[in-house]
Amino acid sequence: EAQVTQNPRYLITVTGKKLTVTCSQNMNHEYMSWYRQDPGLGLRQIYYSMNVEVTDKGDVPEGYKVSRKEKRNFPLILESPSPNQTSLYFCASIPGPSSYEQYFGPGTRLTVT
Amino acid sequence: DQQVKQNSPSLSVQEGRISILNCDYTNSMFDYFLWYKKYPAEGPTFLISISSIKDKNEDGRFTVFLNKSAKHLSLHIVPSQPGDSAVYFCAASAWSGAGSYQLTFGKGTKLSVIP
Repeated sequence: EAQVTQNPRYLITVTGKKLTVTCSQNMNHEYMSWYRQDPGLGLRQIYYSMNVEVTDKGDVPEGYKVSRKEKRNFPLILESPSPNQTSLYFCASIPGPSSYEQYFGPGTRLTVT
Repeated sequence: DQQVKQNSPSLSVQEGRISILNCDYTNSMFDYFLWYKKYPAEGPTFLISISSIKDKNEDGRFTVFLNKSAKHLSLHIVPSQPGDSAVYFCAASAWSGAGSYQLTFGKGTKLSVIP
């Protein structure tokens, strides 16, 4: 089954404790993205990757890092999480140039206390 | 500056009637528009899309209309069903010549279809 998977689905952590949210897709898509969803703000792009070893900032990249060492994986790293990063995070993938439909993962709800 | 706007946070419609969800955009570089549907505890799922060279696209009960001169698009659901109750996100996209991809979402409209 074609899908985007994220782990963990739920995470409660404390300020400053490094964490990684994993994202994997099995569709051989070139492009992958991370979004956060906050009440009243909709979905905002954090980072995206156009291919292996190629990443770029989205609209709200501060406090986040990403890496793309393999085509299928695109982990989101919070080196020193803060309470304002409490949010619902979605990973998504796109087949490649000239494609528009994004396939979303199920989401990761992160709480930073 | 919000480039994609959904001005109605919520909408309630009787089952069987038409639901109309609206979206406005400001960036004339957007060349493709999409609607996503989101249920609680799930990721957004693609619903329907339209290219900027068209003014209408229909898929079953769902029709998207695009008015480029007004920078406005709308999603019509006819007839509305209780299972359509969800948050609907409008999104606009553009590919740059450098190969970067921008997909900008509106804040969403929560649709409630009343049986």
